[in-house]
Amino acid sequence: GQNIDQPTEMTATEGAIVQINCTYQTSGFNGLFWYQQHAGEAPTFLSYNVLDGLEEKGRFSSFLSRSKGYSYLLLKELQMKDSASYLCAVREEARAAGNKLTFGGGTRVLVKP
Amino acid sequence: ETGVTQTPRHLVMGMTNKKSLKCEQHLGHNAMYWYKQSAKKPLELMFVYSLEERVENNSVPSRFSPECPNSSHLFLHLHTLQPEDSALYLCASSQGGEGTDEKLFFGSGTQLSVL
Repeated sequence: GQNIDQPTEMTATEGAIVQINCTYQTSGFNGLFWYQQHAGEAPTFLSYNVLDGLEEKGRFSSFLSRSKGYSYLLLKELQMKDSASYLCAVREEARAAGNKLTFGGGTRVLVKP
Repeated sequence: ETGVTQTPRHLVMGMTNKKSLKCEQHLGHNAMYWYKQSAKKPLELMFVYSLEERVENNSVPSRFSPECPNSSHLFLHLHTLQPEDSALYLCASSQGGEGTDEKLFFGSGTQLSVL
């Protein structure tokens, strides 16, 4: 079966750093995605990892270890607007028709002043 | 603005009603998706269309009926729903292809309440 775990909720202070962990157990692996979703809005793409290591994009970085079935999303210099849910998703196989992603339950991050 | 538009944003319906959700993408993508997002549960994939052909049906009850008349439009027809079907229904699109970094672009969803 498929299992993607991430914490339900995290709280951090403006200007600080928060790390959101995601562990996965899936039948196949062909990439891991992170999405951000503000309340009442569409999920939007943040990052993608398919090889081990760290991908950095401004204040956001994502790390992957395929041998450990583990990823994290690192949010630096937190801003109030970063308060949102962060969704971890795994693509199990490469397909020519459609991109099937399996999502974790999401981590709700609350940034406090 | 993600380039994927869903209507209506909110829908309240009785169990005997028939309604349809609409999704339109302006990104020139070839693949479209329906996801269900329930409170405190992960996003669940319902259907995938690639070049207007259904390529995935994730054991969804027949009271949900998708339709993809062309690569820009996707519908979800609803009939005789149950209260547990109340959820946020998200539409998404993607380029379509074997690119491993292919991203999904989501609409803002339709918040459905079944009474």
